[in-house]
Amino acid sequence: AQSVTQPDIHITVSEGASLELRCNYSYGATPYLFWYVQSPGQGLQLLLKYFSGDTLVQGIKGFEAEFKRSQSSFNLRKPSVHWSDAAEYFCAVVFMDSNYQLIWGAGTKLIIKP
Amino acid sequence: NAGVMQNPRHLVRRRGQEARLRCSPMKGHSHVYWYRQLPEEGLKFMVYLQKENIIDESGMPKERFSAEFPKEGPSILRIQQVVRGDSAAYFCASSRGQGGETQYFGPGTRLLVL
Repeated sequence: AQSVTQPDIHITVSEGASLELRCNYSYGATPYLFWYVQSPGQGLQLLLKYFSGDTLVQGIKGFEAEFKRSQSSFNLRKPSVHWSDAAEYFCAVVFMDSNYQLIWGAGTKLIIKP
Repeated sequence: NAGVMQNPRHLVRRRGQEARLRCSPMKGHSHVYWYRQLPEEGLKFMVYLQKENIIDESGMPKERFSAEFPKEGPSILRIQQVVRGDSAAYFCASSRGQGGETQYFGPGTRLLVL
């Protein structure tokens, strides 16, 4: 079955430090890849997405992600985190042969140390 | 352009009552998706609808749950005879099309069953 894995349930980083959140997906046809952020008690906001083209994608709030087909990964990065980045981050994938259904990772909760 | 609207934002029900959750998609979007998020878990797909049609309800429990997206008006997720295990956040998303079109999320309805 197609699946999306976010191996880190929680990540703690110091404010100002760099961040990388991991996302791997199972083999499938060409995927569309998304990262969403969910602040406490809020809905989900799209950070960035990859459909085709340049494998390094820039998103909002200073985030970027790199699609690596050989590793089936789409890791999210930010060079310097701010306290306001504390939230839960979800990776989601649409596989072309599943047509429309977003397959979700379980999420990574980001904690920022002052 | 208003985003995806969901109401109510919070809903409290006693066991055995009915819960009705509403979702108005973004203007120009005719595809609606419902997801459930249990505490400390990721999102789980429930149902995908287009106007007047249920396209995929593979994620929806067979009993007590139903969804509709009428020609006029919002999409409704209906839960009959609620039980404590139905307590969760229910998110609606909409997209212009399918096949990888970005889904935009509403703020969610948090259902608490006493």
